[in-house]
Amino acid sequence: TQLLEQSPQFLSIQEGENLTVYCNSSSVFSSLQWYRQEPGEGPVLLVTVVTGGEVKKLKRLTFQFGDARKDSSLHITAAQPGDTGLYLCAVEYTGTASKLTFGTGTRLQVTL
Amino acid sequence: DVKVTQSSRYLVKRTGEKVFLECVQDMDHENMFWYRQDPGLGLRLIYFSYDVKMKEKGDIPEGYSVSREKKERFSLILESASTNQTSMYLCASNTGIGEQYFGPGTRLTVT
Repeated sequence: TQLLEQSPQFLSIQEGENLTVYCNSSSVFSSLQWYRQEPGEGPVLLVTVVTGGEVKKLKRLTFQFGDARKDSSLHITAAQPGDTGLYLCAVEYTGTASKLTFGTGTRLQVTL
Repeated sequence: DVKVTQSSRYLVKRTGEKVFLECVQDMDHENMFWYRQDPGLGLRLIYFSYDVKMKEKGDIPEGYSVSREKKERFSLILESASTNQTSMYLCASNTGIGEQYFGPGTRLTVT
């Protein structure tokens, strides 16, 4: 059974601070997705990374895929209250076509 | 825009009742999924379906069954609801690999 762990579990910061959250797998995966879930809603895709070492930027969010394809990080610069939510990573393991394994999530709160 | 809808946002049922959760997607996606979400445990896959009348067990299928009679509709059935099935239930769909599109969720309470 593959394990997908996210850290930290909770993060409370003030507006303007930077933060990084992590996603680590016990096995190599073929692709990774990051989702954000706001209260009362389903998760919404932020980005998909497929190449080891890949870095993608989405405005103030920077996503990195580890060279060994077993980890990923999400860095937020100058956090805003609108970034508040649950951040979930999800991986597709080789041989499990269409199925995603989700991490436990990082709950982020950004206050004024 | 892709839209995934779930029949109820909130549901309260009694122990032993049969419960139906309905999910409908409007993008002609082949794959549909049912997850449950619990604090500290993330999303766990209950069942998924890759075609009409086709289904596969996910990681936690015990106590659940599913039905997919039409491509756009995927139902989750709790044959005899128990208190440990109190949870948030999320439906999702996609085509092939890649992004899954989620519904808003159904928060089920079993008393």
